[in-house]
Amino acid sequence: EDKVVQSPLSLVVHEGDTVTLNCSYEVTNFRSLLWYKQEKKAPTFLFMLTSSGIEKKSGRLSSILDKKELFSILNITATQTGDSAVYLCAFAGNYKLTFGKGTLLTVNP
Amino acid sequence: KAGVTQTPRYLIKTRGQQVTLSCSPISGHRSVSWYQQTPGQGLQFLFEYFSETQRNKGNFPGRFSGRQFSNSRSEMNVSTLELGDSALYLCASSIRLGPYEQYFGPGTRLTVT
Repeated sequence: EDKVVQSPLSLVVHEGDTVTLNCSYEVTNFRSLLWYKQEKKAPTFLFMLTSSGIEKKSGRLSSILDKKELFSILNITATQTGDSAVYLCAFAGNYKLTFGKGTLLTVNP
Repeated sequence: KAGVTQTPRYLIKTRGQQVTLSCSPISGHRSVSWYQQTPGQGLQFLFEYFSETQRNKGNFPGRFSGRQFSNSRSEMNVSTLELGDSALYLCASSIRLGPYEQYFGPGTRLTVT
């Protein structure tokens, strides 16, 4: 069965810190890996990665995929309190997205 | 462009009742997927509709069903509610069929008492 594991489960940092969130997967028929940010309700789309070794960036957030080692990381630099959220990674397989349980990030002022 | 909308936002039902949730996708999106989110299990795929047909289904009992209309709006129905059905139900829309970039609605919080 397809599996997506995120670590750590939760993380508390101070504003200005840099964080790295991890996502590893054991899946068949890999198509892509997606990252979402969930604050109160709706997960909001961050990145979709399909190729190994190519970094995607959006402001202070960046992500990279390693298809050989089956993992992805999400980096957030110069964290702000507004970055506090649950970060979800999801693997896109044959027909559905399989989500990890998420990493709860808390950024304190 | 307006985002994905879901109604109602909150719902309280009792065991044995049935419930219908509604989802309107982003304009131009033809695929609607439904997910159940609980603290223990996380986000789990229920099913996906495209062009009014259920195309894919997750591992949920037959009490969970849905449909899609010609304007791509979708409804999800849960019959004979159980306490364990209490969850946040999210729908997500996408331009194309399959596990691609999906955009989520705010969800419907269902509480079964």
